Amino acid sequence: DAGVIQSPRHEVTEMGQEVTLRCKPISGHNSLFWYRQTMMRGLELLIYFNNNVPIDDSGMPEDRFSAKMPNASFSTLKIQPSEPRDSAVYFCASSGGRGNEQFFGPGTRLTVL
Amino acid sequence: KNEVEQSPQNLTAQEGEFITINCSYSVGISALHWLQQHPGGGIVSLFMLSSGKKKHGRLIATINIQEKHSSLHITASHPRDSAVYICAPGTDKLIFGTGTRLQVFP
Repeated sequence: DAGVIQSPRHEVTEMGQEVTLRCKPISGHNSLFWYRQTMMRGLELLIYFNNNVPIDDSGMPEDRFSAKMPNASFSTLKIQPSEPRDSAVYFCASSGGRGNEQFFGPGTRLTVL
Repeated sequence: KNEVEQSPQNLTAQEGEFITINCSYSVGISALHWLQQHPGGGIVSLFMLSSGKKKHGRLIATINIQEKHSSLHITASHPRDSAVYICAPGTDKLIFGTGTRLQVFP
């Protein structure tokens, strides 16, 4: 298996632009997680899905952030409009079910100028 | 006070040394994850445990749910073990420690 796939790997955009991050979980996994990592705050859970349904989105910073999982093999994290403080590495992870080991993607490094 | 405290924050060792990283947490949880983040940024799950001890190769993780404490041990450390090790209490909704940066020198 190719593991968790994220795209793009790097994104540089200007403040105010819409940013869409993409994630393809490991085939057969039914839980998907979006994390953000910054120097100041470390790793933080933004939202997670189980069987394509959002279970907990309490980590989503504000209404500018939204996440969808239209099917078992694809999820997006959208930021609109983006701000410089959104600059971070965004990781997607998947697991084979609630309470299982999580497998992380390589991350998307986002820079908002 | 942070919900997850790791110690030490930084650790240097000579190749072959026995390494211990500690994690204490204040949240009520039934499981805990140990993660490894490589210098290049990639994150790998090392362990998920809910009781007792688990061993993978030279790595051993222990947890005491009642005392809210977990430890990660590395036996016969090697320079390739150099990484940041992150404790993350929780089953699915993880809370992350700030990490322990380990450098192992030949």
